[in-house]
Amino acid sequence: KNQVEQSPQSLIILEGKNCTLQCNYTVSPFSNLRWYKQDTGRGPVSLTIMTFSENTKSNGRYTATLDADTKQSSLHITASQLSDSASYICVVYLTGTASKLTFGTGTRLQVTL
Amino acid sequence: DVKVTQSSRYLVKRTGEKVFLECVQDMDHENMFWYRQDPGLGLRLIYFSYDVKMKEKGDIPEGYSVSREKKERFSLILESASTNQTSMYLCASSWDRADTEAFFGQGTRLTVV
Repeated sequence: KNQVEQSPQSLIILEGKNCTLQCNYTVSPFSNLRWYKQDTGRGPVSLTIMTFSENTKSNGRYTATLDADTKQSSLHITASQLSDSASYICVVYLTGTASKLTFGTGTRLQVTL
Repeated sequence: DVKVTQSSRYLVKRTGEKVFLECVQDMDHENMFWYRQDPGLGLRLIYFSYDVKMKEKGDIPEGYSVSREKKERFSLILESASTNQTSMYLCASSWDRADTEAFFGQGTRLTVV
């Protein structure tokens, strides 16, 4: 069973609308949580990194939140653009695992006109 | 600009062939990783290296080996390619610190026929 679960699996929204992607994790001890954006056929690119003591981090129109008590994170995209169409991957970094990352399976977002 | 470069974007190989996937980073990072990415499974760690000539098995090392003779170069070797190794292969690198970003290459789409 994947220790990082993302929902929904896929999402279609109209350009200009907002959306929120969810990530629940069960792995521990937790060091930090990251959101990556992956365009089709490309490698993932980092959007945000949050430690367990941070509860929000923004990068332009992307805002990530973290609730370490409930082990949930969300990625909110504001005023979506066609270029936001991509997969968004939640990644947890475990303390003491020699830099090992645990990946969610991603949410596939499609922004349409 | 930071750069992780994989030697091929697309590769087609025959069953039983020995396959080399090359990855080079120009950021003097200690850590380097090889992942494979399959639909519905997310990124899975094959091998990683935290120093020259050092390597550690990831979650799915069977059928693979790696080589890191120089700090900037990390090679993935498929000893005898099989059709179930058809996948997207992603190389990544990072500093040896928990709060830093992992940078990914553009990926190699390998098809074994």
